[in-house]
Amino acid sequence: DIQMTQSPSSLSASVGDRVTITCRAGQIISTFLNWYQQKAGEAPKLLIYSASNLQSGVPSRFSGNGSGTDFTLTISSLQPEDFATYYCQQSYIKFRSFGPGTKVDI
Amino acid sequence: QVQLQEAGPGLVKPSETLSLTCTVSGGSVNSGTYYWSWIRQHPGKGLEWIGYIYFTGTTYYNPSLKSRPSMSIDTSRNQFSLKLSSMTAADTAVYYCARDSIGDYLPRFDSWGQGIMVTVSS
Repeated sequence: DIQMTQSPSSLSASVGDRVTITCRAGQIISTFLNWYQQKAGEAPKLLIYSASNLQSGVPSRFSGNGSGTDFTLTISSLQPEDFATYYCQQSYIKFRSFGPGTKVDI
Repeated sequence: QVQLQEAGPGLVKPSETLSLTCTVSGGSVNSGTYYWSWIRQHPGKGLEWIGYIYFTGTTYYNPSLKSRPSMSIDTSRNQFSLKLSSMTAADTAVYYCARDSIGDYLPRFDSWGQGIMVTVSS
């Protein structure tokens, strides 16, 4: 399997802040990396696929970057509805795996 | 807009087999562009991929679950199912069904069910 790590595990931020979350894969995964947002009591929601492609309907303040083993998710100006937990996930191999998550709170 | 909905028991006894079904609406499970997947989330924890089934019936499971998972697909009912045997308290989790979109070779879980909480207790 491919181990995924994320940093930080949690962060505190304010509305309007620029926030960056990092994800690292245990081996090279090209750009087969997706990002999800999960709010309490809800299912995860796809934000970014293939490292940098914005899912339809997702606000443009979300962006993704990276290739190989190192990836980032950036929220350019944090909004109240963005306080949630964010997960990265690799789809390089059939055995899918997720990062441990990054909780973004106030 | 495709929708997925899990159904099954909320309570399972230790050693029993969990049976969950995911009904797909607004789309067809009889498609070569998706893997139909199960993912779970232990209380307060992260996401664990359980496995997927393809429309042909081909399956692939998380090796860490050994031979416990079994998935099936019913194209006539537009459903797919998960059975997880030998349940223990460690299997208490929210179980999600999800669509893994592979048609453009950029795989991602683009649709999810709302999740069903399963508790293992006698």
